[in-house]
Amino acid sequence: GNSVTQMEGPVTLSEEAFLTINCTYTATGYPSLFWYVQYPGEGLQLLLKATKADDKGSNKGFEATYRKETTSFHLEKGSVQVSDSAVYFCALIEFNFGNEKLTFGTGTRLTIIP
Amino acid sequence: EAGVAQSPRYKIIEKRQSVAFWCNPISGHATLYWYQQILGQGPKLLIQFQNNGVVDDSQLPKDRFSAERLKGVDSTLKIQPAKLEDSAVYLCASSSTVTEAFFGQGTRLTVV
Repeated sequence: GNSVTQMEGPVTLSEEAFLTINCTYTATGYPSLFWYVQYPGEGLQLLLKATKADDKGSNKGFEATYRKETTSFHLEKGSVQVSDSAVYFCALIEFNFGNEKLTFGTGTRLTIIP
Repeated sequence: EAGVAQSPRYKIIEKRQSVAFWCNPISGHATLYWYQQILGQGPKLLIQFQNNGVVDDSQLPKDRFSAERLKGVDSTLKIQPAKLEDSAVYLCASSSTVTEAFFGQGTRLTVV
């Protein structure tokens, strides 16, 4: 079945540092890929998405590129802020004739220190 | 547009008691998901509805968990009887396409 493997955390960075959170996936076809973010005490929010190979999703300074050749969707940000502290989840959905399932990675907790 | 509504936000029960969670999805969304998120883990799909039919309940512990979706809109998830290991956040999500799912804030269940 489909699966998502995420970089284990927790990750602690100083403000303005460069961020990379690795994500690789296993799927039989051509899934859509997502990064969700969960801020403390809140629900999951979609951060960005990409629906086909070589697409780049971006939002709030975060970017991720759908790399089919390496089955990866790494999350990057050039300069992190304290407000980016949250748990980040990589996820995928693959078309399956009405039986699409949103599959998550285990999450990476990010803490940014001033 | 209004988001996915869940209630209650928090619930504490003793083991062997029963509990129910409620979810109101975004209007018009045909697909509704219930996920269980244990502390430190990613969300695990419990059950997926397409309108009022079950698409996938392969990971639902059917001896104690049940779920229904009334008229293809609201949904309830019930646990009876609860075990200590059921302590988790229960997330409801809805979607209208395969390109995005919207989540509620979740219900944090503590079984003591």
